[in-house]
Amino acid sequence: DTGVSQNPRHKITKRGQNVTFRCDPISEHNRLYWYRQTLGQGPEFLTYFQNEAQLEKSRLLSDRFSAERPKGSFSTLEIQRTEQGDSAMYLCASSEDREVRDYTFGSGTRLTVV
Amino acid sequence: TQLLEQSPQFLSIQEGENLTVYCNSSSVFSSLQWYRQEPGEGPVLLVTVVTGGEVKKLKRLTFQFGDARKDSSLHITAAQPGDTGLYLCAGLYGNKLVFGAGTILRVKS
Repeated sequence: DTGVSQNPRHKITKRGQNVTFRCDPISEHNRLYWYRQTLGQGPEFLTYFQNEAQLEKSRLLSDRFSAERPKGSFSTLEIQRTEQGDSAMYLCASSEDREVRDYTFGSGTRLTVV
Repeated sequence: TQLLEQSPQFLSIQEGENLTVYCNSSSVFSSLQWYRQEPGEGPVLLVTVVTGGEVKKLKRLTFQFGDARKDSSLHITAAQPGDTGLYLCAGLYGNKLVFGAGTILRVKS
């Protein structure tokens, strides 16, 4: 296993377009998380899945954002009608379901909305 | 409001100097982690501390978890240019990790 994989690495889109990002977690990890990071800040939690169930969503996740993990393996994060304020690094992480969890992050998808 | 406050925000030092980065909160965490992040990459886990008062060493890095499990520190001895990066502390809050804003460390040769 090569770790958490995210695609694409970079995405430039025009305001108003929809974008979709993909995350492939470590195969034996049943928890998957999405975070957003803007310049000069730490990552902010967006949502997490345990297997295919989306168990928690942040208030940051407006109705333009939707995340899925249909078979409990890879996950997608879609942003509809993108706005300039959506420009950020979108990070995916996965972990085992244990009390003390080691999180493995992907390299992220850098979104630029022009 | 940031749940975890990190200080300093930015640190620029000469190679060979020692430094300490602090992570403070008014909340108790069941565990706390430190990450290092390079530009354009995701954070990489350095250490997890679980027990109040715990001290962990990773080569030239020493991590300490406060007795009350509300704060932590990262001390680097004899910093090297390869230590340059963004250092993030993160606490487990319910089912999610909550991050501080990070400390940008620059080590000049």
